Amino acid sequence: ELKVEQNPLFLSMQEGKNYTIYCNYSTTSDRLYWYRQDPGKSLESLFVLLSNGAVKQEGRLMASLDTKARLSTLHITAAVHDLSATYFCAVATYGQNFVFGPGTRLSVLP
Amino acid sequence: KAGVTQTPRYLIKTRGQQVTLSCSPISGHRSVSWYQQTPGQGLQFLFEYFSETQRNKGNFPGRFSGRQFSNSRSEMNVSTLELGDSALYLCASSLGWANEKLFFGSGTQLSVL
Repeated sequence: ELKVEQNPLFLSMQEGKNYTIYCNYSTTSDRLYWYRQDPGKSLESLFVLLSNGAVKQEGRLMASLDTKARLSTLHITAAVHDLSATYFCAVATYGQNFVFGPGTRLSVLP
Repeated sequence: KAGVTQTPRYLIKTRGQQVTLSCSPISGHRSVSWYQQTPGQGLQFLFEYFSETQRNKGNFPGRFSGRQFSNSRSEMNVSTLELGDSALYLCASSLGWANEKLFFGSGTQLSVL
């Protein structure tokens, strides 16, 4: 059974600081997805990582994938308040059955 | 291009009742999948439909069912509601059915009293 773990689960950081969220998964997969969810809202796709060594960047967020280590990271650079949200990583098993991590709730404080 | 549309946005039901939730995918998307989100269990896969066929099903009791119509619109039904069914139900659509990026709707918040 595929398990997806994230750490930390809660992250409170100051504006301007850098931090990394880690996503580990238990079985082989070459596709990993990152989503963002604002309180009371739906999930917004951030990144799709398709192969080992893939790196994607959008604004202050950068995601990478190491399929051999079964690890993906989401790095936040110079955080701003607008990045406060819950971040989920997900791995697809069969078809569109995505297994999501528990989420990392990020609070960026002024 | 319109996104994934779910109706209703909020729903309050009592135990034992049944409920039907609706989802209209992005135009051109043929795969629709459903997820349940709760604070305790997180996001859990319910089922997935592609071209009116259920392709995959999660580990939920038979009270949870769904279907997809020829226009790709989908409905899910929960019968004999239990308190534990209170959750945000999210519908997602994608072009295909093999590891395609999911586009989520705003969800239906179901409260069972």
